[in-house]
Amino acid sequence: AQKVTQAQTEISVVEKEDVTLDCVYETRDTTYYLFWYKQPPSGELVFLIRRNSFDEQNEISGRYSWNFQKSTSSFNFTITASQVVDSAVYFCALSEARGSGNTGKLIFGQGTTLQVKP
Amino acid sequence: NAGVTQTPKFQVLKTGQSMTLQCAQDMNHEYMSWYRQDPGMGLRLIHYSVGAGITDQGEVPNGYNVSRSTTEDFPLRLLSAAPSQTSVYFCASSGRDRRRTFGSGTRLTVV
Repeated sequence: AQKVTQAQTEISVVEKEDVTLDCVYETRDTTYYLFWYKQPPSGELVFLIRRNSFDEQNEISGRYSWNFQKSTSSFNFTITASQVVDSAVYFCALSEARGSGNTGKLIFGQGTTLQVKP
Repeated sequence: NAGVTQTPKFQVLKTGQSMTLQCAQDMNHEYMSWYRQDPGMGLRLIHYSVGAGITDQGEVPNGYNVSRSTTEDFPLRLLSAAPSQTSVYFCASSGRDRRRTFGSGTRLTVV
């Protein structure tokens, strides 16, 4: 069965600190996709990144970086020099990629609430 | 480009009432899905569709019906609302890039 675990329920940091959000996943599929979404206090879900299981390269986008390691089934997300606007709930998610490639199903972790204090 | 539009944004129902949550997308996406978000549980898949006329159950389908008569629309029906269905509902669509665009959500309260 597929499962995504975000063990950190809440994290609180002071502005300008670096923070890493952990994500561990379980799947029997050899081909799959991993995602991170941000949910700010306004409630919408904002796409941050998608990574397929064949691409283990780390990725950096501005202050955001992602570390994908298949050996440990982890897809961790780091925010460098955090800002108050980064305060949100962050979700890690897993998608299968069978047959035609996309059934639209996402398995979400429970979410990590990040509070960045000024 | 509106993306994914969900209506209504807020709704209060009495136990036993029925209603339909609307979801429409204008991106010609094949794949659409409905999720519910409950505190501490992330988002859970209710139903999904891989194209017009094709739907399937997700993780928590009981109490909900869906249909997909057009590519653009994917309504979610609550047949007889129960307090356990109090939640925030999100509709999502995705194309071949698998990126998934979410609607702004519907906050439903069943009293």
